[in-house]
Amino acid sequence: NAGVMQNPRHLVRRRGQEARLRCSPMKGHSHVYWYRQLPEEGLKFMVYLQKENIIDESGMPKERFSAEFPKEGPSILRIQQVVRGDSAAYFCASSPESRQDPYEQYFGPGTRLTVT
Amino acid sequence: AQSVTQLGSHVSVSEGALVLLRCNYSSSVPPYLFWYVQYPNQGLQLLLKYTSAATLVKGINGFEAEFKKSETSFHLTKPSAHMSDAAEYFCAVTGYGGSQGNLIFGKGTKLSVKP
Repeated sequence: NAGVMQNPRHLVRRRGQEARLRCSPMKGHSHVYWYRQLPEEGLKFMVYLQKENIIDESGMPKERFSAEFPKEGPSILRIQQVVRGDSAAYFCASSPESRQDPYEQYFGPGTRLTVT
Repeated sequence: AQSVTQLGSHVSVSEGALVLLRCNYSSSVPPYLFWYVQYPNQGLQLLLKYTSAATLVKGINGFEAEFKKSETSFHLTKPSAHMSDAAEYFCAVTGYGGSQGNLIFGKGTKLSVKP
């Protein structure tokens, strides 16, 4: 059973470009979470999605950031018009539908975004 | 509201010595608590979790943590450090009844192990 997959692992964008980060949850998992890790900081929650629904986006910046988790395919975190401050590691996590293992999240390897 | 404080951004121990990484939490609902480990340029791996069962929780790689409600603490320990334990460790909290997805992380503690 493959773990959470994220691609690309490293992404370089120039200021003003768009960044698209992809996350494929573990097989059988229908909950996806995105976190951002700035240098020397812990992870900060951004958004929580289930298939075709955004459940909690309280950690998402109001502008330029969006996320989706379509019925088919991976979850996408999209950052429009990137700025240097967006440089960070972006982690995706997934969890199963079952309530027997509440809130346990399995993390992907992350995408390291560098904005030049 | 929930929060996590990890005391000490860097901890250094000698190989074979006791490892103690501190975590204090704040939560208005019964908490679920987690410790994750992150190796350089990798994702987070779950070490152990507390979900209101036994207060002493055993995890992988010989780590354990004790939930102390009176002290609002969930410190991580390992009796004898190994070189391979060098990594960054994150404590996280979420609360039953709160947003299921919203893990709140501490800022992390980098553990160095000296030979």
